[in-house]
Amino acid sequence: AQTVTQSQPEMSVQEAETVTLSCTYDTSENNYYLFWYKQPPSRQMILVIRQEAYKQQNATENRFSVNFQKAAKSFSLKISDSQLGDTAMYFCAFMKIPGGAQKLVFGQGTRLTINP
Amino acid sequence: EADIYQTPRYLVIGTGKKITLECSQTMGHDKMYWYQQDPGMELHLIHYSYGVNSTEKGDLSSESTVSRIRTEHFPLTLESARPSHTSQYLCASSEAGLSSGANVLTFGAGSRLTVL
Repeated sequence: AQTVTQSQPEMSVQEAETVTLSCTYDTSENNYYLFWYKQPPSRQMILVIRQEAYKQQNATENRFSVNFQKAAKSFSLKISDSQLGDTAMYFCAFMKIPGGAQKLVFGQGTRLTINP
Repeated sequence: EADIYQTPRYLVIGTGKKITLECSQTMGHDKMYWYQQDPGMELHLIHYSYGVNSTEKGDLSSESTVSRIRTEHFPLTLESARPSHTSQYLCASSEAGLSSGANVLTFGAGSRLTVL
């Protein structure tokens, strides 16, 4: 079975700073996807970024980028130039390939607060 | 606009009542999911469906049941609610197949259930 661990329950930074959220996972699979999802307070969970394990290049989406270390089973999220709207719970998640039911296994979440 | 809708958003009921949480999506997705999010914010898969007339138990045992009579609709039912069922329930859907979007889950805004 796969497990995902986020060791930072809460983080807080000032607006415009850069912040990195940590995630490690455990799996015996070779092919899989990794995701970061964002859940703003009382709002819908949305996809921030995804990484395919067979791709060595780290995924980037505007201010969001990942540091994917497959051998270390590490998948951190870097948010540059943080904004107040980035305040949310952030979940790291794993999905094996082939996905079948495309089930996501989530980490415990990191509550990120961006202060003005 | 294609989306996934959950009703009710908030529900407070007494012990022993029967409740149904509704989930509908307009994207034509074959696969649908129910996740339970506990007060500590961890997410656990409780049910999923590959398509019409398909339902499967998830990784976390749940006393709830689901049905999938129509592609767009995936309701969750609790026959006799108890305080231990107090939680947030998130519905999600995804495409089938091998397209780039097939591994991305779209989530609803959630139904927060409180059983007194």
